Amino acid sequence: DAGITQSPRHKVTETGTPVTLRCHQTENHRYMYWYRQDPGHGLRLIHYSYGVKDTDKGEVSDGYSVSRSKTEDFLLTLESATSSQTSVYFCAISESDRGYIEAFFGQGTRLTVV
Amino acid sequence: TQLLEQSPQFLSIQEGENLTVYCNSSSVFSSLQWYRQEPGEGPVLLVTVVTGGEVKKLKRLTFQFGDARKDSSLHITAAQPGDTGLYLCAGGRGQGGKLIFGQGTELSVKP
Repeated sequence: DAGITQSPRHKVTETGTPVTLRCHQTENHRYMYWYRQDPGHGLRLIHYSYGVKDTDKGEVSDGYSVSRSKTEDFLLTLESATSSQTSVYFCAISESDRGYIEAFFGQGTRLTVV
Repeated sequence: TQLLEQSPQFLSIQEGENLTVYCNSSSVFSSLQWYRQEPGEGPVLLVTVVTGGEVKKLKRLTFQFGDARKDSSLHITAAQPGDTGLYLCAGGRGQGGKLIFGQGTELSVKP
């Protein structure tokens, strides 16, 4: 299994509070991703990173920010959590040495905003 | 707007039946992957198809990439209860890194 660790695995927070989710990899992969998963929507890309300090927005980036100061860590921050951000968040990593992307996922973080 | 449309979204069948899941787009992808996800776990990669018209087999699962590289299908022969799960297709474009997923197909195979 790819070495990906998400923390925390579960979190309950109050509306309006900041929340940071962490993704740590031991594979030295170039690409890292944050997705959210909600019923009926599959996985929706929030932000992704293609290198240290290189990030780009995904489909549902509003209300989220990311940072990648080291190859192994990719942080997702909800500046002011809202109930619509209650979801399961997945981090993924990938390389492209074969010319295409194949993602390996963490176990997920279940976030509840009350 | 979902860039990748999967159908059907839900499928409930009896053990031994065959099924096909479709993944369609109006965009061209350089590669397309299929993942399987079980409850409480992250998705796990099953296969990647890269060449238009490519067919790959994984035991009872057959994956096909459309000639124009805009669509793909997953066919399961003689489904078993162990095939139950969420199947997701995902498309990437070149080495830019962006990977987009479809909504998923929830498969339930009853004994």
